[in-house]
Amino acid sequence: QKEVEQNSGPLSVPEGAIASLNCTYSDRGSQSFFWYRQYSGKSPELIMSIYSNGDKEDGRFTAQLNKASQYVSLLIRDSQPSDSATYLCAVRYSSASKIIFGSGTRLSIRP
Amino acid sequence: KAGVTQTPRYLIKTRGQQVTLSCSPISGHRSVSWYQQTPGQGLQFLFEYFSETQRNKGNFPGRFSGRQFSNSRSEMNVSTLELGDSALYLCASSLAQGRELFFGSGTQLSVL
Repeated sequence: QKEVEQNSGPLSVPEGAIASLNCTYSDRGSQSFFWYRQYSGKSPELIMSIYSNGDKEDGRFTAQLNKASQYVSLLIRDSQPSDSATYLCAVRYSSASKIIFGSGTRLSIRP
Repeated sequence: KAGVTQTPRYLIKTRGQQVTLSCSPISGHRSVSWYQQTPGQGLQFLFEYFSETQRNKGNFPGRFSGRQFSNSRSEMNVSTLELGDSALYLCASSLAQGRELFFGSGTQLSVL
């Protein structure tokens, strides 16, 4: 079982719709979770972090965390073509401070 | 505030050579992590340094090593390069261990 799992996609969403990206993780003791966006040829950039169960909103982005289900998701409202990128889920392991990344979900917003 | 700076941006080496990559973290950040990114494997954790000490290590052979200096700058070394070492090497800094990572632009290494 992979430590952090994401559907590789591509996920195609029409412009203006909600894009939903999902991630599961194997370490039940993990406490810190992150979403990154990576454009082709660029390095990952932090979208948001979440530490507590529930929702965290930042502009058009909402991160959702369910520790019991070991599940974290990212919702992008009013999707724009500029949101087309690979989205990486990252989890800090409880046994060490290292942060492990999923393989990413490729998101495509169609006009 | 300046971001994470990695040098060089591109490197071409041949098998058997060694290479050293450099990373300057964001001012005030004391933790530096290194990752290898390839199309097939995604972002793989190499190691993390904090206060000049390696705190965590990923599943890479001993040919991969690193160090951190007193000013938090870090270097990564790969000895006896293999074709499979061709990848984008990303450095990321954070305020403390396990906190949000901020990435540099990376060093694209090609091994011929």
